[in-house]
Amino acid sequence: AQRVTQPEKLLSVFKGAPVELKCNYSYSGSPELFWYVQYSRQRLQLLLRHISRESIKGFTADLNKGETSFHLKKPFAQEEDSAMYYCALIDTGNQFYFGTGTSLTVIP
Amino acid sequence: NAGVTQTPKFQVLKTGQSMTLQCAQDMNHEYMSWYRQDPGMGLRLIHYSVGAGITDQGEVPNGYNVSRSTTEDFPLRLLSAAPSQTSVYFCASGPGTHPTYGYTFGSGTRLTVV
Repeated sequence: AQRVTQPEKLLSVFKGAPVELKCNYSYSGSPELFWYVQYSRQRLQLLLRHISRESIKGFTADLNKGETSFHLKKPFAQEEDSAMYYCALIDTGNQFYFGTGTSLTVIP
Repeated sequence: NAGVTQTPKFQVLKTGQSMTLQCAQDMNHEYMSWYRQDPGMGLRLIHYSVGAGITDQGEVPNGYNVSRSTTEDFPLRLLSAAPSQTSVYFCASGPGTHPTYGYTFGSGTRLTVV
């Protein structure tokens, strides 16, 4: 079975501090992984995809197959980064699995 | 370009009532899906479709029906609402039959079943 685990429900960091949101997955094939973000009162938005190896809004995420992780990182957190973050995985059967989400609060 | 439009935004139902949540997208996306979002549970896939006339079940399909008669529309039907279906429902769409490029989400429908 495919599963995505986000161990932290809540995460608080100070502005300017580094932030890391953890995501671990369980999947028997080659995963496609994503990070989505939901700002207050807004719809979910795609933040980044592992296959594009991009940096969006200063965030990066590296797929570590050995540790089955896809942690989201940013070196210097900003107040506008406060939001709900979801890690997601898609399997070869077109099923998309989301983690339970991590609520990030950046303290001014 | 409206993207993904969901209606209604809010709905209160009595147990046993039926209703349809509407979802429409104007991006010519082949892939459409419905999720429910519950506290502590994240988003769980209810049903999805890879094109008109094709639907399949997700993780939590019981109590819900879908159809995809056009590319644009993907309604979700609750046949006999139960309090356990109180949730926020999101519709999402994506290009292609395999959402490698991720989804575009609607703004959600908050449903309360009393």
